[in-house]
Amino acid sequence: AQTVTQSQPEMSVQEAETVTLSCTYDTSESDYYLFWYKQPPSRQMILVIRQEAYKQQNATENRFSVNFQKAAKSFSLKISDSQLGDAAMYFCAYGGSGSARQLTFGSGTQLTVLP
Amino acid sequence: SAVISQKPSRDICQRGTSLTIQCQVDSQVTMMFWYRQQPGQSLTLIATANQGSEATYESGFVIDKFPISRPNLTFSTLTVSNMSPEDSSIYLCSVVSFGEAFFGQGTRLTVV
Repeated sequence: AQTVTQSQPEMSVQEAETVTLSCTYDTSESDYYLFWYKQPPSRQMILVIRQEAYKQQNATENRFSVNFQKAAKSFSLKISDSQLGDAAMYFCAYGGSGSARQLTFGSGTQLTVLP
Repeated sequence: SAVISQKPSRDICQRGTSLTIQCQVDSQVTMMFWYRQQPGQSLTLIATANQGSEATYESGFVIDKFPISRPNLTFSTLTVSNMSPEDSSIYLCSVVSFGEAFFGQGTRLTVV
């Protein structure tokens, strides 16, 4: 079974600064997806960024980028130029390849952005 | 992508009663997933709903407590039965398309 670990229950960052959220995972599969989801107080789960395991290049989406280390099974999220709207719970998630399988989520990191 | 409409968005229920949560997807999907998110916690998978067959429940969840229907490829319901305050949580439905998960807006359930 796959496991996802987020070791930072809470993080804070000053507005306009950069913050990195950590995630490690365990799997015996060679092909899979990794995700970061954001959940603001509205509780809607919003996809932030996605990484396919077969791609060596780290995914980027505007101010969001990942550091994917497949051998180390590490998948950290970097948020640059943090904005007040980035404040939310962030979940790292693992998804198997192939058919429409469910995701395995980490325990989450609550990010506070300080003005 | 997939758009999921989930309702109700929130409800306050008396203990001992049942609540049915509905999810409608804008496209046909093979599997739909139901998650529970207890206060301040991560998402825990309750069950996987396939059209035309019994739902598959994860350890710790049973059909009598969380009956699921999946009458067609775009719709599913989850019922929380004989509720107790411990059932107070957010319930989310989800589908996966090309490896990406899409979620309903969630149902915030409070049992009093």
